[in-house]
Amino acid sequence: AQSVTQLGSHVSVSEGALVLLRCNYSSSVPPYLFWYVQYPNQGLQLLLKYTSAATLVKGINGFEAEFKKSETSFHLTKPSAHMSDAAEYFCAVKDPGRRALTFGSGTRLQVQP
Amino acid sequence: NAGVTQTPKFQVLKTGQSMTLQCAQDMNHEYMSWYRQDPGMGLRLIHYSVGAGITDQGEVPNGYNVSRSTTEDFPLRLLSAAPSQTSVYFCASSYALAVQETQYFGPGTRLLVL
Repeated sequence: AQSVTQLGSHVSVSEGALVLLRCNYSSSVPPYLFWYVQYPNQGLQLLLKYTSAATLVKGINGFEAEFKKSETSFHLTKPSAHMSDAAEYFCAVKDPGRRALTFGSGTRLQVQP
Repeated sequence: NAGVTQTPKFQVLKTGQSMTLQCAQDMNHEYMSWYRQDPGMGLRLIHYSVGAGITDQGEVPNGYNVSRSTTEDFPLRLLSAAPSQTSVYFCASSYALAVQETQYFGPGTRLLVL
């Protein structure tokens, strides 16, 4: 079965610093990959998704992610963190033929002033 | 568009009580699903529906029932609540079941079972 690993349940960065949130998946077939963000007391919002068109995917709010097949990774980055980026981030995968997303356990991002 | 709406936002139940979590979407989406979110476990699929009259089980269906009588609504029923069902429940919808389709999530229902 497909699994998703997010390294680090909590990540803390300073405002203006690079944000790097890690996601690795287990699949012999490249899946479709998603990053969602959850702000406090809200539902999940799509940040970006990889659907095999391009390995570097740009999303909303300045985030981007790069699909690396050789590393089975889809890490999320943002060059300069903003206080408003503080939230929980979920990586998710979907295999062709499966009916639902498989989510990672989430990474809570703190941004220090 | 209101998107995906869920009611109630918060509910406290006693063990053994039943209740229905409501979910509605106004985007004419065929695919709807229910997830539960527990600390350190991400979101897990409970039940899903690919259209009116069609439902199926997800990863953690025990203790929950669903029905889909209209395209817009997809209620989740807890038959006899247990403390293990304390969680945050999210409803999601997408236009189709296609693998690349974006799922849109509601704001969630926080459930506490005592």
